[in-house]
Amino acid sequence: KAGVTQTPRYLIKTRGQQVTLSCSPISGHRSVSWYQQTPGQGLQFLFEYFSETQRNKGNFPGRFSGRQFSNSRSEMNVSTLELGDSALYLCASSSTGGGLANEKLFFGSGTQLSVL
Amino acid sequence: DAKTTQPTSMDCAEGRAANLPCNHSTISGNEYVYWYRQIHSQGPQYIIHGLKNNETNEMASLIITEDRKSSTLILPHATLRDTAVYYCIVRVVGLANFGNEKLTFGTGTRLTIIP
Repeated sequence: KAGVTQTPRYLIKTRGQQVTLSCSPISGHRSVSWYQQTPGQGLQFLFEYFSETQRNKGNFPGRFSGRQFSNSRSEMNVSTLELGDSALYLCASSSTGGGLANEKLFFGSGTQLSVL
Repeated sequence: DAKTTQPTSMDCAEGRAANLPCNHSTISGNEYVYWYRQIHSQGPQYIIHGLKNNETNEMASLIITEDRKSSTLILPHATLRDTAVYYCIVRVVGLANFGNEKLTFGTGTRLTIIP
């Protein structure tokens, strides 16, 4: 069974540009959540999608957005990039987003975004 | 979500058991304890999780105290490849949490295996 797949693995952008990152969850998983990891702030929750609906959102500005498709694949978009957006962006998938006891949650390898 | 407290760093000799503690004193009844590890610039790797009973798998053992306020991850025979940051998190699980994923990560424990 393939794991959580994130593309691209590395990305370099300049300030003011926008970027779209992709996440393909494990087959059968309907929940996809996104996290930002920086050396200073650690791992921080961005948002979570379940069955194409955003259920939870972290404390990030509106420049950060996402969506989920009917096949559970998810994308996140960052508009008007700032230097501080440089980070490792991780997505995680699970069957129900915590609705089932003993459910496992798996992470992808992440997309390393550098904003110059 | 309950918060967790872990030591910032630990060393362990190669071949010895590595015991990583985690305090989660405010854990509630529907929260599981999950352990992940992260090798530099990669995604967190699932290790093990449990509710109240001790758990063991091919990677590690998880010991949860009876009051569930703390737990210990045990890597029985540490190797150099176990050098990583280990995160202990609590995760709400249950029908009321269907599609409601939102994890809170702490700073984790940086485990260094010494040859």
